[in-house]
Amino acid sequence: EIVLTQSPGTLSLSPGERATLSCRAGQSVSSSYLAWYQQKPGQAPRLLIYGASSRATGIPDRFSGSGSGTDFTLTISRLEPEDFAVYYCQQYGSSLFGQGTKLEIK
Amino acid sequence: QVQLQESGPGLVKPSQTLSLTCTVSGVSISSGSYYWSWIRQPAGKGLEWIGRIYTSGSTNYNPSLKSRVTVSVDTSKNQFSLKLSSVTAADTAVYYCARDLRSSYGYGYDYWGQGTLVTVSS
Repeated sequence: EIVLTQSPGTLSLSPGERATLSCRAGQSVSSSYLAWYQQKPGQAPRLLIYGASSRATGIPDRFSGSGSGTDFTLTISRLEPEDFAVYYCQQYGSSLFGQGTKLEIK
Repeated sequence: QVQLQESGPGLVKPSQTLSLTCTVSGVSISSGSYYWSWIRQPAGKGLEWIGRIYTSGSTNYNPSLKSRVTVSVDTSKNQFSLKLSSVTAADTAVYYCARDLRSSYGYGYDYWGQGTLVTVSS
């Protein structure tokens, strides 16, 4: 079974800074199957990135995804106040989600 | 605009069957090559995929829940449904329905319902 490990568990940054979130798979996965979601309290998750690097409809270009094999990264180039939330990676093939990274205001 | 809305009882007794329906609007559930999924999230915890159904009726289930899960579709009502049998307190969660995005660029869940809290308690 593929395991997805996200790091760090919590990331404390200030608006305007760059955020780098990591998702590591226990074995190589197809980039097509790697997605990232943002979830705010009381809301459903929102698809940000699919296919490891394709932005979903309406997602600002400050969000970008990269990676292949076992290591994937979500980068937020310049944090806006509305970006502070929990972020999940997901491997669609096994339908497994990572445990999440909480991005909080420093 | 595609919208999904979960509905069903918010309280289920232990050992009984949890039943939820997802009503889809803005797109015909039987058009296109879409899969439709159920995902849940216990309070303060992560996301767990439960199962999915294709418009043809073919299904895939999470192996850890497979023995208790049934997902079905009613194209005439533009709905799909979830049944989870023999529930325990561990099944208490917010349940989401979602549409599977399957494209040449990748996969994911692109539309989600708002979620419905189901509590298992006597």
